[in-house]
Amino acid sequence: DVKVTQSSRYLVKRTGEKVFLECVQDMDHENMFWYRQDPGLGLRLIYFSYDVKMKEKGDIPEGYSVSREKKERFSLILESASTNQTSMYLCASSSPLAGDTDTQYFGPGTRLTVL
Amino acid sequence: GENVEQHPSTLSVQEGDSAVIKCTYSDSASNYFPWYKQELGKGPQLIIDIRSNVGEKKDQRIAVTLNKTAKHFSLHITETQPEDSAVYFCAASSNAGGTSYGKLTFGQGTILTVHP
Repeated sequence: DVKVTQSSRYLVKRTGEKVFLECVQDMDHENMFWYRQDPGLGLRLIYFSYDVKMKEKGDIPEGYSVSREKKERFSLILESASTNQTSMYLCASSSPLAGDTDTQYFGPGTRLTVL
Repeated sequence: GENVEQHPSTLSVQEGDSAVIKCTYSDSASNYFPWYKQELGKGPQLIIDIRSNVGEKKDQRIAVTLNKTAKHFSLHITETQPEDSAVYFCAASSNAGGTSYGKLTFGQGTILTVHP
């Protein structure tokens, strides 16, 4: 069964802290994505990766960075957390080689609150 | 880049009624249109999708229609049940040139509530 896991369901951090959000998938997928979800704005793409050590900016990359050292793990980093980064963060993965090449599989999300 | 608009933002129906959610997209090169359902406390999950070479696709109580000329697509749920209550997202992507890496542009979401 397909599985995407995220390191925390809830996280509370202080302004200025460095924050790491971890995502692991067990499907050997090439593509991995980080989104933030805000009411009325849908899911907005922050960064994505199509291979180990490869990354591409999405629509809202400012204030974020990512790391993909291993195929199964994709990390989102907030270098200096700010209150406007309070949001739900969703990780997803997909594979161009699978039968359902365009389907993205999502983790349960991490609700981050920055005080 | 692609822009996807979704309406309505909230939809309330009685059990057994039909529900329709509509989306428009801006990029005429888009050729793949999935719909995701997000239940409380979970990540979105694909429920149905359609590609630009067909106009309609049906899977039991759910169906999706696509009008490429008008650049809009819709989700239809018939005989709604309380367990259909969730947030629904439409999305669009283009695989033109083979370099999209499966990127999706999502709509704003619709909160569907089905009253027993």
